[in-house]
Amino acid sequence: ETGVTQTPRHLVMGMTNKKSLKCEQHLGHNAMYWYKQSAKKPLELMFVYSLEERVENNSVPSRFSPECPNSSHLFLHLHTLQPEDSALYLCASSQTSGSSGNTIYFGEGSWLTVV
Amino acid sequence: GQQLNQSPQSMFIQEGEDVSMNCTSSSIFNTWLWYKQDPGEGPVLLIALYKAGELTSNGRLTAQFGITRKDSFLNISASIPSDVGIYFCAGRGNAGNMLTFGGGTRLMVKP
Repeated sequence: ETGVTQTPRHLVMGMTNKKSLKCEQHLGHNAMYWYKQSAKKPLELMFVYSLEERVENNSVPSRFSPECPNSSHLFLHLHTLQPEDSALYLCASSQTSGSSGNTIYFGEGSWLTVV
Repeated sequence: GQQLNQSPQSMFIQEGEDVSMNCTSSSIFNTWLWYKQDPGEGPVLLIALYKAGELTSNGRLTAQFGITRKDSFLNISASIPSDVGIYFCAGRGNAGNMLTFGGGTRLMVKP
């Protein structure tokens, strides 16, 4: 079992659906991230939360809405997605201080298919 | 922004061979990380490097933080079929706590 768990692992949704991805970290970290991984593209950082406050949003479309209710949980709410949003969505966490503060740990990912 | 070039993009080798891949940056990094991603899974941290010149091993894997702080290398000795996957480098410079990822090296091992 990894320190970062994501659910669901696989999700198929229509373009008019509303769904959410969930992430939970058991590492005592205080920063959490959402990344998007598409075929033949580098990892794309979508959102960063540090101490439960959003600190970075890399111009992600508003059809993706993150929520971080506490330092251990992170959600990605999905609404009216497009087929090109189909990808592997990776959650990650890190500690923002200390000598290992730059090391992030990934979950296993949620495969999203938009039909 | 910071750029990371990872090479080679893919490698197809014979089992037992040694493997070498590297990443170069357009700017100085303070941290280098190497991850491996198996198909359908998230990246798993292999080695973390925090000091220029640092050489760290993890089993058959060895990674080095280049002394110029603009590059890093990952070597795999005596490859085995389970080494198959995509290897990513990641680095962090002075601009906040964000990591920049390389494009990945896809490794295929022929038994």
